[in-house]
Amino acid sequence: DVKVTQSSRYLVKRTGEKVFLECVQDMDHENMFWYRQDPGLGLRLIYFSYDVKMKEKGDIPEGYSVSREKKERFSLILESASTNQTSMYLCASNPGGPSSYEQYFGPGTRLTVT
Amino acid sequence: AQTVTQSQPEMSVQEAETVTLSCTYDTSESNYYLFWYKQPPSRQMILVIRQEAYKQQNATENRFSVNFQKAAKSFSLKISDSQLGDTAMYFCAFTSYSGAGSYQLTFGKGTKLSVIP
Repeated sequence: DVKVTQSSRYLVKRTGEKVFLECVQDMDHENMFWYRQDPGLGLRLIYFSYDVKMKEKGDIPEGYSVSREKKERFSLILESASTNQTSMYLCASNPGGPSSYEQYFGPGTRLTVT
Repeated sequence: AQTVTQSQPEMSVQEAETVTLSCTYDTSESNYYLFWYKQPPSRQMILVIRQEAYKQQNATENRFSVNFQKAAKSFSLKISDSQLGDTAMYFCAFTSYSGAGSYQLTFGKGTKLSVIP
């Protein structure tokens, strides 16, 4: 089975802190994704990566950056956390290529910024 | 840009009954895929069912089936013999191949389904 893990289930940070959310997948997938989930808004794509060191902006990249130094690991970085970044963050991966359309999700990290 | 609309923020159903969740989408693509994902309370998002747009036959997975109306751009999910474990947020999602080896998912806002004993 595909396994996508996220470093923390719950995280509390203060305004202005630098925050790292880590995601690891164990299936040698090419593509990895970061989403933000808010009530009434569904899931919105922040960033995705289709190869090591390659990244693309999603729908809401402002206030976030990402890093993918190794194929299995994709990090979401909040350079200076703000209260409006309090949310659930979901990581996903998929194998890549034109026949690979399903995404596999991690358990999520619920981030609270105070 | 694609959009996905789920018009029912919350629904409830009695155990063992049937419920239908609605989803409409908008796209100019001809080749695409549609999904229903399930997110149980405090648990991981999992894929329930998928439909390839080029297939006319509606997808079925055990108690879950879809009614795919391509011309109407409608993709509803029917859950038969509802069980307590079906209580979850359900997301309708759309994807088409965007190049660079990647599919990007566009999600609806979700429907919170409660199964009542």
